[in-house]
Amino acid sequence: EAGVTQSPTHLIKTRGQQATLRCSPISGHTSVYWYQQALGLGLQFLLWYDEGEERNRGNFPPRFSGRQFPNYSSELNVNALELEDSALYLCASSLNPDGTQYFGPGTRLLVL
Amino acid sequence: QKEVEQDPGPLSVPEGAIVSLNCTYSNSAFQYFMWYRQYSRKGPELLMYTYSSGNKEDGRFTAQVDKSSKYISLFIRDSQPSDSATYLCAMSARAAGNKLTFGGGTRVLVKP
Repeated sequence: EAGVTQSPTHLIKTRGQQATLRCSPISGHTSVYWYQQALGLGLQFLLWYDEGEERNRGNFPPRFSGRQFPNYSSELNVNALELEDSALYLCASSLNPDGTQYFGPGTRLLVL
Repeated sequence: QKEVEQDPGPLSVPEGAIVSLNCTYSNSAFQYFMWYRQYSRKGPELLMYTYSSGNKEDGRFTAQVDKSSKYISLFIRDSQPSDSATYLCAMSARAAGNKLTFGGGTRVLVKP
């Protein structure tokens, strides 16, 4: 069974640009979660999508947004990039909202 | 004060020794407790998942949860060099939308 996949693996942007990160959950999983792992800050919850709806949001500004598609894949958009947005962005999926979260390999975003 | 505290290490042990890891937390609403292993530049891999208090064993891994003390532990028996990684504890509460709150991670080095 394929795990959570994310693309691209690496992304380099300049300050002020927009970044789009993609995630495909494990087949059959309906919940998708996004986390940011920045150096020195640890893993922090960003967003949770279930059945196409945003269910919960972490303490991040509105320029972090996303969506979940009918096939349960998800997109994270980061607008007006800032240098401190440089981090590993991790996507996780679960079978249902109460289920265990399984992580993908992440997208490493570098903002110059 | 962080919701979940975890000693950053590094924790260095000889091959074959028992690795002992722990986390403390302050939020009594946490119900689900997890341990993830993360190799450098990779996504976290789920090791153990426990609901509420008690012990759980899986192969060389034993997880313990003491909700009265707000303390969780992970023990790795017969440690191998391949166990060298960062170990992250994570917790969630259904009322908080199942977002995972992570400890900062403990770096473990198993020396041959």
